[in-house]
Amino acid sequence: GAGVSQTPSNKVTEKGKYVELRCDPISGHTALYWYRQSLGQGPEFLIYFQGTGAADDSGLPNDRFFAVRPEGSVSTLKIQRTERGDSAVYLCASSPDLGTEAFFGQGTRLTVV
Amino acid sequence: GESVGLHLPTLSVQEGDNSIINCAYSNSASDYFIWYKQESGKGPQFIIDIRSNMDKRQGQRVTVLLNKTVKHLSLQIAATQPGDSAVYFCAHQAGTALIFGKGTTLSVSS
Repeated sequence: GAGVSQTPSNKVTEKGKYVELRCDPISGHTALYWYRQSLGQGPEFLIYFQGTGAADDSGLPNDRFFAVRPEGSVSTLKIQRTERGDSAVYLCASSPDLGTEAFFGQGTRLTVV
Repeated sequence: GESVGLHLPTLSVQEGDNSIINCAYSNSASDYFIWYKQESGKGPQFIIDIRSNMDKRQGQRVTVLLNKTVKHLSLQIAATQPGDSAVYFCAHQAGTALIFGKGTTLSVSS
């Protein structure tokens, strides 16, 4: 596709449930980032992939959060036992390589009720 | 820890004016900086970037200035238009992470 695609655009889930958020990066981009953005705040770094490997997961808030990118393209962010505090917009970005232009998707708005 | 911050949370200008949005960063090792524009309900949109071996870079109606001595970054928008109204973030590359500040909301009135 022409840009970074994230699905679903909106997700409402009950507290305690498991959710998966999907990111389709720009074709050929080796670097992929996940961010979380709360209302009125800047995006907060979660995890960075270079190819298939998670090169930096220092931003993941706890072990309920996990992300994969098994073939070096599509990535899935997984959240277990969701809590109301997980409600936010989850953004994905990709770039040709580290330290180059990073392009963002539209985000997935997650609401935990 | 390291951070990227903006001096003003809001900026209001008249259509046609030039706008200047400022940003300060704390990590002197940062070597890559990006400005993003974010409209309501959308993801951040890349505007312009600059590397630490430069002090100025120009795009279409936008200019980014980097002062490494005082660790200051600015975005200048020429002839601001109503469509420029959005939240603007600066971000810097700290290792593998792009670190964002809280943003400046630019409001352009006709």
